[in-house]
Amino acid sequence: GAGVSQTPSNKVTEKGKYVELRCDPISGHTALYWYRQSLGQGPEFLIYFQGTGAADDSGLPNDRFFAVRPEGSVSTLKIQRTERGDSAVYLCASSSDRGLNIQYFGAGTRLSVL
Amino acid sequence: AQSVTQPDIHITVSEGASLELRCNYSYGATPYLFWYVQSPGQGLQLLLKYFSGDTLVQGIKGFEAEFKRSQSSFNLRKPSVHWSDAAEYVCAVGASQGAQKLVFGQGTRLTINP
Repeated sequence: GAGVSQTPSNKVTEKGKYVELRCDPISGHTALYWYRQSLGQGPEFLIYFQGTGAADDSGLPNDRFFAVRPEGSVSTLKIQRTERGDSAVYLCASSSDRGLNIQYFGAGTRLSVL
Repeated sequence: AQSVTQPDIHITVSEGASLELRCNYSYGATPYLFWYVQSPGQGLQLLLKYFSGDTLVQGIKGFEAEFKRSQSSFNLRKPSVHWSDAAEYVCAVGASQGAQKLVFGQGTRLTINP
């Protein structure tokens, strides 16, 4: 079956613009996660959803970042008024909420803010 | 606080040589540990995981890791590396059951000399 799909794979934007990053999880996975990976660093947690609701958004850096998952499947990470420091690879993962917490990752979206 | 430390940012080994990548963790409860591999332009692929039981776990691509509670370590090993093993290796800690975020180390970049 299909893995986690993220679009676009690359996004270049200008400082101050709004961007949306999309994640399509593995079918049937109820948990969905967003992480951010800056150059030379490991992934850092942003937010995770259990179904349609955000179960933990403690990693969102500020109120310019927002994520939704309206139907419990596809999720969109939204960044307002982008800053150069937002440049990173944004990774999405999904897992089943039953049994072991094995997270499967997409290829990521590389965001470049000029 | 939960944390993962990978002391080596970059390691170079010769093809055919043995490999050990270090990972130390700090976690308040019983740790559940993961190693992921990341190739350029690709997402994180799970190499192996430790949840319970035998402290020596086998993974894909000939990798193994050993959980040592007394040393708070989960080092990754391979007896003989291949040129195709060149990649970024990331260690993570999290909860095994249910949906929980992972805490990652900063990663170790592995270069293979021919």
